[in-house]
Amino acid sequence: EAQVTQNPRYLITVTGKKLTVTCSQNMNHEYMSWYRQDPGLGLRQIYYSMNVEVTDKGDVPEGYKVSRKEKRNFPLILESPSPNQTSLYFCASSSWTGGYNEQFFGPGTRLTVL
Amino acid sequence: KQEVTQIPAALSVPEGENLVLNCSFTDSAIYNLQWFRQDPGKGLTSLLLIQSSQREQTSGRLNASLDKSSGRSTLYIAASQPGDSATYLCAVQAGTASKLTFGTGTRLQVTL
Repeated sequence: EAQVTQNPRYLITVTGKKLTVTCSQNMNHEYMSWYRQDPGLGLRQIYYSMNVEVTDKGDVPEGYKVSRKEKRNFPLILESPSPNQTSLYFCASSSWTGGYNEQFFGPGTRLTVL
Repeated sequence: KQEVTQIPAALSVPEGENLVLNCSFTDSAIYNLQWFRQDPGKGLTSLLLIQSSQREQTSGRLNASLDKSSGRSTLYIAASQPGDSATYLCAVQAGTASKLTFGTGTRLQVTL
């Protein structure tokens, strides 16, 4: 089954404790991205990647890191989480033909930083 | 900067009604527009994708239209059912980064 998976689905952590949210897709997509969803603000892009070893900042990259060492994986790293990073996070992927393709979303990771 | 607005923010209708959800965007230079459904605590399910060169797309009881020049899209749901209750999001895709810019959604409740 074609899908985007994220782990963990739920995470409660404390300020300053480094964490990684994994994202994996099995559709051989070139393009992957991370979004966060907050009440009243909608979904906002954090980082995106157009292919292996190619990443760039989205609208709200502060406090986050990403890497793209393999085509199927695009982990999101919070080196020193803070309470304002409490949010619902989504990973998405699509094939890349200049932006005309449907994006597929993972199930989401609900993160709480105390 | 692209901005996407969805009206109304919430809508409650009795089962069986036809309804229209609205989406407007400020910059018409888009690749496509997608409508998504989000159930509480769940991920996003893609409903319809309209390319910038298209005027509408249909899937079952859903029909989405796009008027790129005026910056508007509508999602028409025919014969609504309680199972249609969810938040509906529209998003436009544009720019070299292929970023999706989302509206804040319309929360739909279909009552028996």
